[in-house]
Amino acid sequence: DGGITQSPKYLFRKEGQNVTLSCEQNLNHDAMYWYRQDPGQGLRLIYYSQIVNDFQKGDIAEGYSVSREKKESFPLTVTSAQKNPTAFYLCASSNLGADTGELFFGEGSRLTVL
Amino acid sequence: GQNIDQPTEMTATEGAIVQINCTYQTSGFNGLFWYQQHAGEAPTFLSYNVLDGLEEKGRFSSFLSRSKGYSYLLLKELQMKDSASYLCASWVKAAGNKLTFGGGTRVLVKP
Repeated sequence: DGGITQSPKYLFRKEGQNVTLSCEQNLNHDAMYWYRQDPGQGLRLIYYSQIVNDFQKGDIAEGYSVSREKKESFPLTVTSAQKNPTAFYLCASSNLGADTGELFFGEGSRLTVL
Repeated sequence: GQNIDQPTEMTATEGAIVQINCTYQTSGFNGLFWYQQHAGEAPTFLSYNVLDGLEEKGRFSSFLSRSKGYSYLLLKELQMKDSASYLCASWVKAAGNKLTFGGGTRVLVKP
């Protein structure tokens, strides 16, 4: 079945540690996105990529980094520079050639900093 | 960037109707999405409006007025399972094919 897989689903880290969240899609979508969601809030865009080896900052990119070496993969690294990293992280993809910009989401990764 | 406004929370009774309003900035606007999100889960697609008017899908309907920068999601015959957050999102294709989300409206359905 086609879809988006995020891992891990739950992650705990100590302050000062970097952590990488995985996102893989087999939908053959061109574009991939990372969103952050805090409790009771909407989704805020961290980074997005429309093509391999290229990506752009979203609204809250500080303290995060990404790479897009393969079309299927868009990992997100939460660095120690991110002041409040505890959140729910959602990866999504979309087909740039489609008539709509519908996003398809992974199941999310919940990061807790201890 | 886009500014999306929607109410924070609404409460309704099982079997009733609830209307969730959403306003957005019209600059560069291409379409309007509604997603449903249960607590701790990923958002799931509910509806997409690109033209003015009402789109009906079973118990859920979505309306768009492009000139007013206004949309609403109508939930009819509410069921307990409809208790969730409902996210309004504006699509601007020219700005990297991004969706900008509102803060979400948490709907609580009471028996």
